[in-house]
Amino acid sequence: DTAVSQTPKYLVTQMGNDKSIKCEQNLGHDTMYWYKQDSKKFLKIMFSYNNKELIINETVPNRFSPKSPDKAHLNLHINSLELGDSAVYFCASSPRHSSYNEQFFGPGTRLTVL
Amino acid sequence: GENVEQHPSTLSVQEGDSAVIKCTYSDSASNYFPWYKQELGKRPQLIIDIRSNVGEKKDQRIAVTLNKTAKHFSLHITETQPEDSAVYFCAATLRDSWGKLQFGAGTQVVVTP
Repeated sequence: DTAVSQTPKYLVTQMGNDKSIKCEQNLGHDTMYWYKQDSKKFLKIMFSYNNKELIINETVPNRFSPKSPDKAHLNLHINSLELGDSAVYFCASSPRHSSYNEQFFGPGTRLTVL
Repeated sequence: GENVEQHPSTLSVQEGDSAVIKCTYSDSASNYFPWYKQELGKRPQLIIDIRSNVGEKKDQRIAVTLNKTAKHFSLHITETQPEDSAVYFCAATLRDSWGKLQFGAGTQVVVTP
């Protein structure tokens, strides 16, 4: 009964490749997020969607493109991978996009770019 | 935008002692302050939160205090246990920011038996 799931859990790839990470939540939440956690554990928001609509779009290279086919899914596609993209990527969801809502995180995808 | 600073970056405590982690924020329009715990190799999970209209909140061995005037908030863990060892993140959100969480840099807490 996984609430927020991500695939794959690990992703090892060469520089220049294109890869996707998928996220699904079965909590019935309206809002989903992508976070990047770097090697120093710093967590930074990248994107957020509310009911398939992009509502947060931080300063992220345009090689990163989120896609939300429906409110239960939020995928992240990364083009032309670079060494600096190596990190753990967390998907999260919350009931609504207002301030007071707990965000439920997925298990993370560890991306290693060689 | 909001900026959150967190101290200390590492904290080593003896089992049974208390641990305190402090955070400051820059934007007085911030209205929600959650704390997340991340165990090694796991996902961040909410442990306690506080809204800007409340000064203190307690849940068993953990408590959070908020000083809006000084723009700082703190996490207090009493009677620490080895399972409290983790990285703790404070965060803040601005009103009308679509739930955007600005995280502090994290505090690695190590509880030694």
